[in-house]
Amino acid sequence: QLQLQESGPRLVKPSETLSLTCTVSGGSISSYYWGWIRQPPGKGLEWIGSIYYSGSTYYNPSLKSRVTISIDTSKNQFSLKLTSVTAADTAVYYCASLAFSSGAWYFDDWGQGTLVPVSS
Amino acid sequence: QSVLTQPPSASGTPGQRVTISCSGSSSNIGSNTVNWYQQLPGTAPKLLIYNNNQRPSGVPDRFSGSKSGTSASLAISGLQSEDEADYYCAAWDDSLNGWVFGGGTKLTVL
Repeated sequence: QLQLQESGPRLVKPSETLSLTCTVSGGSISSYYWGWIRQPPGKGLEWIGSIYYSGSTYYNPSLKSRVTISIDTSKNQFSLKLTSVTAADTAVYYCASLAFSSGAWYFDDWGQGTLVPVSS
Repeated sequence: QSVLTQPPSASGTPGQRVTISCSGSSSNIGSNTVNWYQQLPGTAPKLLIYNNNQRPSGVPDRFSGSKSGTSASLAISGLQSEDEADYYCAAWDDSLNGWVFGGGTKLTVL
């Protein structure tokens, strides 16, 4: 079982860039796909995007113009950048591993999540 | 509004059987597998069911999943107080080229 830990600033101002890093332990980042999912307070889950260790990415079309996900295999980390944030981007941000088994993909191990308020 | 549709709430008494539905379309549930997640209060989601009906190790067999056409269901039998949580379905969407989630169902054990 992998352990994932999100880290980054605890508060972001409107119009600025939200930056988070996910550190993976218990396995190599070069063996899986990875993803970011967020959850606004009191609301449901929203997929932000995914990345393969090779660097290929998939983004939520509704966020694509503002999102960049990157990977650093030397540090066993992957990162999220979300530009031009507004209060609507206030959420708990989770990083997760994507596993493949029995012909199906699924988010398997999750980080504990980090609440990022957007406020001046 | 979520791409996958779930009832916002469900409830049952201890020992009862409860089902939660998840409705989608041909581009998601209709052509891809469904996963279910359990989110206990204040915690991260946990994988409950993958590939429509497969349970990860450690998940009790009280939890089962099924899929038919463009809909899926999660069934919980022998309901227990610790099952009180939010439940989410998820699937890959070929049209959006991304993952979509249901809006979540809050399960209350009466």
